[in-house]
Amino acid sequence: DAKTTQPTSMDCAEGRAANLPCNHSTISGNEYVYWYRQIHSQGPQYIIHGLKNNETNEMASLIITEDRKSSTLILPHATLRDTAVYYCIVRGHQTGANNLFFGTGTRLTVIP
Amino acid sequence: EAEVAQSPRYKITEKSQAVAFWCDPISGHATLYWYRQILGQGPELLVQFQDESVVDDSQLPKDRFSAERLKGVDSTLKIQPAELGDSAMYLCASSLALLAGEQFFGPGTRLTVL
Repeated sequence: DAKTTQPTSMDCAEGRAANLPCNHSTISGNEYVYWYRQIHSQGPQYIIHGLKNNETNEMASLIITEDRKSSTLILPHATLRDTAVYYCIVRGHQTGANNLFFGTGTRLTVIP
Repeated sequence: EAEVAQSPRYKITEKSQAVAFWCDPISGHATLYWYRQILGQGPELLVQFQDESVVDDSQLPKDRFSAERLKGVDSTLKIQPAELGDSAMYLCASSLALLAGEQFFGPGTRLTVL
């Protein structure tokens, strides 16, 4: 069963920041938050992951609340190519708990 | 940039026939995964390999599905016999490490069973 809750869909204006929320209230202390996205007719693509601290890379920023029960993926300047389904996944790094459970994700539509 | 290769990209078959999908992971990636994605849902893990050994096949319908990675490099997923409900995208992914890090996905094989 998916351990995360995400809105089904969101819209964002091109050039604006896209903020995608995720609730993971049952996350355990050794579980990481991963984000992947899937553009239509392609395989999923890794975006970013984190444990406690906020993370940033060339694609996005990940903000994790202090209690770790929720997080937000931020695409700072959304483009049309960012239209995709975004999956928030809680994943352990130990044997038996390291699989990716994708759920249904958030469908982000970037509007011109 | 290295990519996960899959073939065929599309496959149409009739129910009760046998089908096979092939995956070539990124060179050096010891861990290989097969996922199934039904339209409108997220991918679901079917089987996970570490080198040539199966690590997790708990979600693989073993009465009709089989997977192998004989030399620990490329892999084949087979369905025999195919059923209407098997229509889906079959995705292969690979990663450097078994327990952590990024999984790299191939483009998938879209299977339609008539």
